Amino acid sequence: GQNIDQPTEMTATEGAIVQINCTYQTSGFNGLFWYQQHAGEAPTFLSYNVLDGLEEKGRFSSFLSRSKGYSYLLLKELQMKDSASYLCAVRHDYKLSFGAGTTVTVRA
Amino acid sequence: GAGVSQSPSNKVTEKGKDVELRCDPISGHTALYWYRQSLGQGLEFLIYFQGNSAPDKSGLPSDRFSAERTGGSVSTLTIQRTQQEDSAVYLCASSWKGNEQFFGPGTRLTVL
Repeated sequence: GQNIDQPTEMTATEGAIVQINCTYQTSGFNGLFWYQQHAGEAPTFLSYNVLDGLEEKGRFSSFLSRSKGYSYLLLKELQMKDSASYLCAVRHDYKLSFGAGTTVTVRA
Repeated sequence: GAGVSQSPSNKVTEKGKDVELRCDPISGHTALYWYRQSLGQGLEFLIYFQGNSAPDKSGLPSDRFSAERTGGSVSTLTIQRTQQEDSAVYLCASSWKGNEQFFGPGTRLTVL
């Protein structure tokens, strides 16, 4: 079975940093994705981690520890447009299993 | 095409009616996926196509749900005898050989 946990909601101030944690227990693992989803829109790709460590992409970074079944998405220099839902997804072969998503609200 | 497209964008139907949802994947993408997203929930996997074959139908909720893909391109998800619990956003995604999945805008289905 698949069990992917992430916090339901987080609130942060514009310009600050927020870290969204994701823990997983899955029957297989071929990588971990982070997607961003604005209300009423399709999810869009943010990052993909296959090996342990930190992947940095501009203001967004993602970290993976396969031995701990743990990942986080780090959002730096928060902007109002970063208010969205962030979805953690584990890949096993071709299939993605998604967490319920973390709604991030950025306040001025 | 430039991205994954889905139609209709919104569908309101009466309980008991059949509905068809369409997905046009990105040209050249061999893999196609259907997901369902209920309000406040994560994405629920429904079915996966590799070419025209569906090696994994394990996520389909009941035998009222079926899907097909033709020509390695367009896919149709059909829900027969719709029920109120079928109300959700149905998302389609495509990828090339199982890599990053690109999502369409979804079809919002409301069953009255």
